[in-house]
This record gives sequence, C-alpha cells and structure tokens, in this order.
Amino acid sequence: DIQMTQSPSTLSASVGDRVTITCRASQSISDWLAWYQQKPGKAPNLLIYRASTLETGVPSRFSGSGSGTEFTLTISSLQPDDFATYYCQQYYSYYTFGQGTKLEIK
Amino acid sequence: QVQLRESGPGLVKPSETLSLTCSVSGGSISDYSWTWIRQPPGKALEWIGYIYYSGTTNYNPSLKSRVTISVDTSKNQFSLKLSSVTAADTAVYYCARQASSGYPDFWGQGTQVTVSS
Repeated sequence: DIQMTQSPSTLSASVGDRVTITCRASQSISDWLAWYQQKPGKAPNLLIYRASTLETGVPSRFSGSGSGTEFTLTISSLQPDDFATYYCQQYYSYYTFGQGTKLEIK
Repeated sequence: QVQLRESGPGLVKPSETLSLTCSVSGGSISDYSWTWIRQPPGKALEWIGYIYYSGTTNYNPSLKSRVTISVDTSKNQFSLKLSSVTAADTAVYYCARQASSGYPDFWGQGTQVTVSS
C-alpha cells in the first residue's frame, strides 16, 4: 500500500500570506497526485490534478508542484475563502489520501 | 454538468449490511468509472473501491472481504454494499466520478451513515 503523509497537520496563517503544504508518498507515484479543498459539512472540491494542473475554475493563486515522492500545494496570497482543510491523494495505485492539513486563521 | 446524489438508510445495526445508491444525472454512467469514498467523523478520507465502465471492480484491501460495488446502467446508478458493519463503519459516505485520468473529479454531497443498535 502507498502511504501519503501531509505536513503540517495544522497551519495558522493570515489573509494575504503565502502558504505551502507538503505531501510525501511512501514510494514513487510519478505525478499521479491530486489536491482537494474541503469545508465543514461539504464534499471535497478538486483543486489540482497530475500534481500541477489546475482544475477549471480554480483561482490561479493555487499551484501545485512535485513528482516522485514529494509534492507541494502553494497558495500565493490567502483569501478568507481559503480557510479549510486540504487533502492530497495519490491515484498511481488505487487511491490513498493524506491525513489532511487544516488551514486556520491566525 | 454531471451531478451525483447518494441515498440510503442513515442508521444501520451492527452486523447488518450497509446499502447505498448513487444516482447520476447529466451524463451516462456507461461513459466513466465510479468510486465510493468515506470519511469517519473528524478523520481523513478513505477510499472504499471503484467500478470501471467495463464492470471490473477494485476494492481497498482493508475492506475487500466486506465490499461489493455494482452498476445499474438502466437506472444510471451505482451501488455500495458493506457487510458485517460495526461502529467503525460510521462515516459520511461519498460517491464520485472517476475522471479519465483516474482521480475523482465530481463528488456527491455525501450521506451520513451511523452504525448503532
């Protein structure tokens, strides 16, 4: 099984900050990685797939990078709507999700 | 745009079988593969399994012995059955479409299932 480890688990930041979330895979997954945003009581919303491709309609302040085993999600300038929980997910072999990163208002 | 909606009992007794259905609108179920994912309260997302448009299934090894996913093309629906449930199966259950490249792109709103006597 491929394990996905996100860091940090919680991130406190302010509107306008640049933030980065890291996701590590237990083995190489090439670039078969997606990022999701989830708000309380809602389904996850796809942000990025293939590690760095922005889903249609997602603001350009979101970006993804990485390949192999290490990946990052960056939000260039936090907006109030961005405070949520973020999950990475590998789809190289079945599916595995990271444990999530909760982005909180500082 | 495709829309998905989960339906089924919100309360299931321990040792019984959990049964959920996902109704798909805005597209043909035969054109894509489909997946079930769950989220226990306060925890991360967990993949349950998926069914390809060919009818082939793949399940999470940790749940494989208890899971069945099937498709009813005549109703544009797919279903999940999870047998011998325990309190650990209490979760919000989501159905989702699998994009051609393999990741879930469209999700249902989710349905809460509680396992309790």
